[in-house]
Amino acid sequence: QKEVEQNSGPLSVPEGAIASLNCTYSDRVSQSFFWYRQYSGKSPELIMSIYSNGDKEDGRFTAQLNKASQYVSLLIRDSQPSDSATYLCAVYTGGFKTIFGAGTRLFVKA
Amino acid sequence: DTAVSQTPKYLVTQMGNDKSIKCEQNLGHDTMYWYKQDSKKFLKIMFSYNNKELIINETVPNRFSPKSPDKAHLNLHINSLELGDSAVYFCASSQDRRGGLAPHTDTQYFGPGTRLTVL
Repeated sequence: QKEVEQNSGPLSVPEGAIASLNCTYSDRVSQSFFWYRQYSGKSPELIMSIYSNGDKEDGRFTAQLNKASQYVSLLIRDSQPSDSATYLCAVYTGGFKTIFGAGTRLFVKA
Repeated sequence: DTAVSQTPKYLVTQMGNDKSIKCEQNLGHDTMYWYKQDSKKFLKIMFSYNNKELIINETVPNRFSPKSPDKAHLNLHINSLELGDSAVYFCASSQDRRGGLAPHTDTQYFGPGTRLTVL
């Protein structure tokens, strides 16, 4: 069974701090990795996608991928209260199938 | 506006009833999906359609019957609703055309969700 594992949290960080979200996956064949943000009562929206080992930065967000360790992470710098949401790690395994982790709830305290 | 839309947004019904949820995307995507998100926020794929053809059926009870009349539409009909069907159902679409690992067209674009409550 292909799986994506995340710590469900909640992860609580003070405003301005760095939030670090982690995810591991079981299928070594996977090539595409995503972080989605979901606010309460809303649909998931894409924050970052990453396909190659290393870091990918977009504004305050940095995604990190290590395929050898089957590990992907998301760093949020200068965390804001508006970043409070559930963050879903997702892995595309091919065959039109994306598997989502259970999500990590992030709270940013003002 | 270009988007994935779903109707209805809320659906409250009695056990045993039959209901449908409609989804439309005008992003020109080839692949559409139905996901179920339970109370613990776990988002699980139910069905995947590529160019109107069923690709994935994730061990969903046959009370659930998707139908794709064209590439832009994917509807979900549910027969004999049960209490355990209560969840939020999300429709999504992607550009993915061939299901391969390389194209990087697999970003999912989600509709606003339909909250189904079975009483």
